[in-house]
Amino acid sequence: GAGVSQTPSNKVTEKGKYVELRCDPISGHTALYWYRQSLGQGPEFLIYFQGTGAADDSGLPNDRFFAVRPEGSVSTLKIQRTERGDSAVYLCASSLNEGGGQYFGPGTRLTVT
Amino acid sequence: DAKTTQPNSMESNEEEPVHLPCNHSTISGTDYIHWYRQLPSQGPEYVIHGLTSNVNNRMASLAIAEDRKSSTLILHRATLRDAAVYYCILRDERVTFGGGTRLMVKP
Repeated sequence: GAGVSQTPSNKVTEKGKYVELRCDPISGHTALYWYRQSLGQGPEFLIYFQGTGAADDSGLPNDRFFAVRPEGSVSTLKIQRTERGDSAVYLCASSLNEGGGQYFGPGTRLTVT
Repeated sequence: DAKTTQPNSMESNEEEPVHLPCNHSTISGTDYIHWYRQLPSQGPEYVIHGLTSNVNNRMASLAIAEDRKSSTLILHRATLRDAAVYYCILRDERVTFGGGTRLMVKP
């Protein structure tokens, strides 16, 4: 079956602009996670959804970052007033349940100029 | 958050077994031990997970110490395609990745 997909694969934006990153999880997976990864570092947790609700958003760095999953499937990560420090690869993962293995998408590379 | 400790890097020869260690001395009773690997320019890939008993799948084996304070990922026969960063993590609701172990495989 299809894996986790993320769009766009690359996004270049100017400082101060708004961006949306999309994640399509594996069908039937109830848990969805967002991470970001800087060069040479491990993925950094941002937020975790169980169904439609954010079960843990403690990893979001500040209030410029927001994520939604309105129907319990597709999720969108939204970043307002982007800063150069937001440049990273944003990874999405889904799992069948809270304790199961996570399946990652290929990521969206965000570059803020 | 529960933490794991892994060596920064390891080397192996092709077609030999590889044992990747992980220490997790602060593990709680409900934490699952998960392993992922990440090839260059790709997202992490799930490898294996377990709670108390040793686990085997087509990719690897996971050996878990009796006190659960450490575990070892075993690749039975390393190939060049196994060269990657391997992450050991403790799975509760959120997931915290450390720096992982960079595995280099020599032909």
